[in-house]
Amino acid sequence: DAMVIQNPRYQVTQFGKPVTLSCSQTLNHNVMYWYQQKSSQAPKLLFHYYDKDFNNEADTPDNFQSRRPNTSFCFLDIRSPGLGDAAMYLCATSSSRAADTQYFGPGTRLTVL
Amino acid sequence: SQQGEEDPQALSIQEGENATMNCSYKTSINNLQWYRQNSGRGLVHLILIRSNEREKHSGRLRVTLDTSKKSSSLLITASRAADTASYFCATLNYGGATNKLIFGTGTLLAVQP
Repeated sequence: DAMVIQNPRYQVTQFGKPVTLSCSQTLNHNVMYWYQQKSSQAPKLLFHYYDKDFNNEADTPDNFQSRRPNTSFCFLDIRSPGLGDAAMYLCATSSSRAADTQYFGPGTRLTVL
Repeated sequence: SQQGEEDPQALSIQEGENATMNCSYKTSINNLQWYRQNSGRGLVHLILIRSNEREKHSGRLRVTLDTSKKSSSLLITASRAADTASYFCATLNYGGATNKLIFGTGTLLAVQP
């Protein structure tokens, strides 16, 4: 089945220790999104890629970076995680920039000690 | 913030009862979508209603949209224990190069068997 896969599902890191979260998709979609969802809150868009074109949301901290080496994979790098970065990180895809619907992966829950 | 508001924040009902969740939003929209999120999981798209539609059905789901009041409601009929999840509305605006979803704050639904 075509899907969006996120690894790992659970990630524990130490304060200030860089961490990378991975997302892959078999949908061959052009657009990939990263959202941050803190406990009991709405998902908040961090950035998205249209093909290799990176688009940052204005209020996304510099601590968050992303890479998309090919259509299938997208990575979220947190350079120096703080306690406030503990959250669920959701990856999503859409077939085009004009698409109405996004397809979400299961998420990676990040714990910062 | 453009984020939508949902109410109630939490809802507990018995199996077989109907569940109604409401969503209000702030800006003009092209469509409004409802997503479901099981505990600790990603979001699953449920239903989309366009700005020129007033009501839409999908199985046990009924969505209404009132663009004059900037509000929508999601009705789940004959609820089941498996419907226990968080439900989010999300508005989509076509402004900008890439469509973006703005999520509401969510309603946590608990269906007691």
